[in-house]
Amino acid sequence: SQKIEQNSEALNIQEGKTATLTCNYTNYSPAYLQWYRQDPGRGPVFLLLIRENEKEKRKERLKVTFDTTLKQSLFHITASQPADSATYLCALGGRDDKIIFGKGTRLHILP
Amino acid sequence: GAGVSQSPSNKVTEKGKDVELRCDPISGHTALYWYRQSLGQGLEFLIYFQGNSAPDKSGLPSDRFSAERTGGSVSTLTIQRTQQEDSAVYLCASSLGTRFMIQETQYFGPGTRLLVL
Repeated sequence: SQKIEQNSEALNIQEGKTATLTCNYTNYSPAYLQWYRQDPGRGPVFLLLIRENEKEKRKERLKVTFDTTLKQSLFHITASQPADSATYLCALGGRDDKIIFGKGTRLHILP
Repeated sequence: GAGVSQSPSNKVTEKGKDVELRCDPISGHTALYWYRQSLGQGLEFLIYFQGNSAPDKSGLPSDRFSAERTGGSVSTLTIQRTQQEDSAVYLCASSLGTRFMIQETQYFGPGTRLLVL
């Protein structure tokens, strides 16, 4: 069955450093991959989308890589700030309209 | 409206009762999704509506769960004879739903927190 794995443990990063979150998947060939941010008590908010034929995508301090051979995406936040503390969800989409979400990784940026 | 809205924001019910959860998508969005998020779990897909097409109900966990979408806009998720394991946050999302643009952003509502006692 399709499976998405994200770091199950919370990630603690010192302010100013780069935070790197991992998303691995199996038994799936996604057409695209998305990253969402979720704050406590709120719904997820879309951050970035990367297509299967793209290796890297950037947006301000965010960078996403997508390796379809390794079946892995890395999500980087550079010059991290305490306001970046949240849960980050990885989501895979196919050629139908369904998206599969990972369980998310909690990120804490320490001042 | 400016975003996806859901009501109620919180719902406490007794085991065996029926509940209705409402979602108002962004105006003009033809695609609407319901998800369930339990504590420490990812988003579990429940049901998907796209325009006037028959909904994709493949994620509904049991026949106690049903959903409707009236007039291509507002949607209601109904859970009959609620069980304690139904306790979760129920999230609704909408997107433009253009089938030619498969890589679409989903816009989520704040969710309804359901607690079944």
